[in-house]
Amino acid sequence: EVQLVESGGGLVQPGGSLRLSCAASGFTFSSYTMNWVRQAPGKGLEWVSYISTSSSTIYYADSVKGRFTISRDNAKNSLYLQVNSLRAEDTAVYYCAAGVNKDYWGQGTLVTVSS
Amino acid sequence: DIVMTQTPLSSPVTLGQPASISCRSSQSLVHSDGNTYLSWLQQRPGQPPRLLIHKISNRFSGVPDRFSGSGAGTDFTLKISRVEAEDVGVYYCTQATQFPYTFGQGTKLEIK
Repeated sequence: EVQLVESGGGLVQPGGSLRLSCAASGFTFSSYTMNWVRQAPGKGLEWVSYISTSSSTIYYADSVKGRFTISRDNAKNSLYLQVNSLRAEDTAVYYCAAGVNKDYWGQGTLVTVSS
Repeated sequence: DIVMTQTPLSSPVTLGQPASISCRSSQSLVHSDGNTYLSWLQQRPGQPPRLLIHKISNRFSGVPDRFSGSGAGTDFTLKISRVEAEDVGVYYCTQATQFPYTFGQGTKLEIK
C-alpha cells in the first residue's frame, strides 16, 4: 500500500522555522519526482516546491523562494521542506505529493504561523 | 505563470445525473516532449486531494470509469457520467507542463 506521511508541522511565531518531513512507503520513492503543495484554511491548492529524482533540479514558487528549502534522501525514502522566516500567510496544511502527475498524496501537516 | 480557470465554481447535481467541469489554461499545455500534463484531482471533505485523471484523459488506478477527461491545448473537461453521493467534494484541474505548477480555483460538486 502506498503511503506518504507528513510530520513536523505546528504552531510557530512569525519569523520562526520548521522542518517538515514526508516518509514514503509502498512505491519506489527514488523513481518519483516529489512536490510540496499547500492549502490555506478554506482555500484552494498552491504548489510550493518540486525536486527531481536525483535532487539535481529544484523549483520553488515565488512566494517561498529564498525562505524554503526542499530536499530528499532516497536512502531513507524521505522528503523534507525546511521553512524559514515564516509569515502569517504561510499558515496552511502542507502536503507532499509524488510524481509529475501528483499520483500520491499524504494526509498533510498543519503549519500555523501566529504570535 | 499559466493561469487555470475552472467553470463553474459550484455545481449542484442530482444523484444519477451527469456533471461536467471545464478548465481553461492561459496558454497551451502541450509540453516539448509531446505530452499534455493536465490532471484532475478530487478532494472530498476533510480529505487530501486524490488523482483522478492525468495527461488529459488517463484514469488513475482505482478510479471508477464514470469519470472521464477530454480536451486539448487550452480547453479541458472532466465529466462524471452518473453522480454518486461519494463524488461530493471539490475538483481541481492542475498543470505540470511548466513551472510554476498551477491549479484551478476548484469546483465544488454538491448534491441537489
